[in-house]
Amino acid sequence: KNQVEQSPQSLIILEGKNCTLQCNYTVSPFSNLRWYKQDTGRGPVSLTIMTFSENTKSNGRYTATLDADTKQSSLHITASQLSDSASYICVVSPGALAGNNRKLIWGLGTSLAVNP
Amino acid sequence: DTEVTQTPKHLVMGMTNKKSLKCEQHMGHRAMYWYKQKAKKPPELMFVYSYEKLSINESVPSRFSPECPNSSLLNLHLHALQPEDSALYLCASSLSPGQAYNEQFFGPGTRLTVL
Repeated sequence: KNQVEQSPQSLIILEGKNCTLQCNYTVSPFSNLRWYKQDTGRGPVSLTIMTFSENTKSNGRYTATLDADTKQSSLHITASQLSDSASYICVVSPGALAGNNRKLIWGLGTSLAVNP
Repeated sequence: DTEVTQTPKHLVMGMTNKKSLKCEQHMGHRAMYWYKQKAKKPPELMFVYSYEKLSINESVPSRFSPECPNSSLLNLHLHALQPEDSALYLCASSLSPGQAYNEQFFGPGTRLTVL
């Protein structure tokens, strides 16, 4: 069964600190993996998209890594800011061989709170 | 213009009302999507429009009726909703169809409450 699991479920850090969020997936075949940031009551905003051939991708203070062999990804946030408080969602796209059922597979997200 | 807009931001309606949610994008995207999101859950795909034609309906009840008047607009008509339909309704668009490959840009959502 195609699944995306994220950990931790929630995280509290102090402003200025770094943190790393984890994503494990069992989606096969695999096309790409995305990280979204979603503020409460708002739409998700894309942070990174990585295909199987990409190991790392950065977007400002956000750096995502992908290990397609172990089916793991991480999102590292550097020098956190209060505005980083949000839910971070890992989303996996099945590959072409998945046929018609190529819906995005969403994780449940990690809820991050950055405190002053 | 690189955003997806949605109106209204908030909507409260009774179970006998008829209302519509609106979504607009001017990025030249040819695929548009409706999602429903409950609290602390990921978005659930409802409908996909590809080149202004309905291509995917994820077995959504008929009290939800989508419409794509042109390539920039997407509506969701609501009628006889139930309280359990209360949720955040998200619109998204992507350059071309093929959900698996194309980055989706989401609107801010409409918070719907059904009394």
